[in-house]
Amino acid sequence: QKEVEQDPGPLSVPEGAIVSLNCTYSNSAFQYFMWYRQYSRKGPELLMYTYSSGNKEDGRFTAQVDKSSKYISLFIRDSQPSDSATYLCATFYGGATNKLIFGTGTLLAVQP
Amino acid sequence: SAVISQKPSRDICQRGTSLTIQCQVDSQVTMMFWYRQQPGQSLTLIATANQGSEATYESGFVIDKFPISRPNLTFSTLTVSNMSPEDSSIYLCSVRAGSSGSPLHFGNGTRLTVT
Repeated sequence: QKEVEQDPGPLSVPEGAIVSLNCTYSNSAFQYFMWYRQYSRKGPELLMYTYSSGNKEDGRFTAQVDKSSKYISLFIRDSQPSDSATYLCATFYGGATNKLIFGTGTLLAVQP
Repeated sequence: SAVISQKPSRDICQRGTSLTIQCQVDSQVTMMFWYRQQPGQSLTLIATANQGSEATYESGFVIDKFPISRPNLTFSTLTVSNMSPEDSSIYLCSVRAGSSGSPLHFGNGTRLTVT
């Protein structure tokens, strides 16, 4: 079993739709959770960063962590064509173990 | 966040040759990492570049194949040695600027094709 599972998509939505991107993870010791956005031919860009359970909102983006079910989500409201990219979830233990574990990424296309 | 510059951005190399990738950060950072990204797969950590000492390699990666240098707190190189077509991938430099709980930031990567 992979430590982080992510549906690779592709996911295609019309402009203005609410997008839900999800990952599950296997190790309850993970404490830090991130979402990265990666445009074609670019490196991953940090989008959201959360610690432990709960919600975090930043503009049109909301990151949600449910540690009881080992489930992390990214919601995009009022999606725009410029949101078309690959979205990667990532997590790590923190502390002395600095290794990030990534999902495979979900390719999102927002159609104008 | 730190600005990370990676060179070259892409290259096409012949089998059996070596390529050195450079990573320059505009500020001192605590930790630097090298990742590989292959199509349809998760980003995979190759090694942690340690300043002034040997890099720490992940399982499946060895120093003879991927020698790494980090002479100071803003610069690192990754060499892909004796390349084969299986080494065709995107290689990404990553940094952590803050404490051990801080997220990573990435450069734009080097797209390597081995023929």
